[in-house]
Amino acid sequence: DAMVIQNPRYQVTQFGKPVTLSCSQTLNHNVMYWYQQKSSQAPKLLFHYYDKDFNNEADTPDNFQSRRPNTSFCFLDIRSPGLGDAAMYLCATSRLGYGYTFGSGTRLTVV
Amino acid sequence: DAKTTQPNSMESNEEEPVHLPCNHSTISGTDYIHWYRQLPSQGPEYVIHGLTSNVNNRMASLAIAEDRKSSTLILHRATLRDAAVYYCILLRGNTGNQFYFGTGTSLTVIP
Repeated sequence: DAMVIQNPRYQVTQFGKPVTLSCSQTLNHNVMYWYQQKSSQAPKLLFHYYDKDFNNEADTPDNFQSRRPNTSFCFLDIRSPGLGDAAMYLCATSRLGYGYTFGSGTRLTVV
Repeated sequence: DAKTTQPNSMESNEEEPVHLPCNHSTISGTDYIHWYRQLPSQGPEYVIHGLTSNVNNRMASLAIAEDRKSSTLILHRATLRDAAVYYCILLRGNTGNQFYFGTGTSLTVIP
């Protein structure tokens, strides 16, 4: 089945140690997104790629970066994770103007 | 971005219909109304979407007000597996490629 896959499901990282979360898709969608969801809150859009064009939300901290080496893969890099960055990180894909397909998320713990 | 307003929480008895309301008074003519739900520890999943006419699928029905300033997601017979947070989201057709989540409605299904 075509899908959005996030690895790993659970990630533990040390305070200040760079961490990378990965997302892959088999849907061949041209848009990929990263959301941050903290406990009991709605998902918050961090940034998205429309093909190779990167679009950052105005309030996304500089500590968060992203890479999209090809259509299928997208990475979220957190350069220096703080305790406040502990959250579920959701990857999603879409074709322009259509609805989204979400991955199952990666739950990040910062120790 | 057009905003949506939903009740924070609702309860329903199992096997009874559930009507989940959403207000979107600033909706524009090209905004599609999407509904997603998020089960615990999962990514959001698509439920239904529409533009002007009422829509039905195997999961639910979507009733859209004539002036499009509100809509209602209808689950015809709630089951325990329907307990989730339901999000009503506006997506600008043909150009919109960003979902901004509102607070959503947390649905509790009582056995």
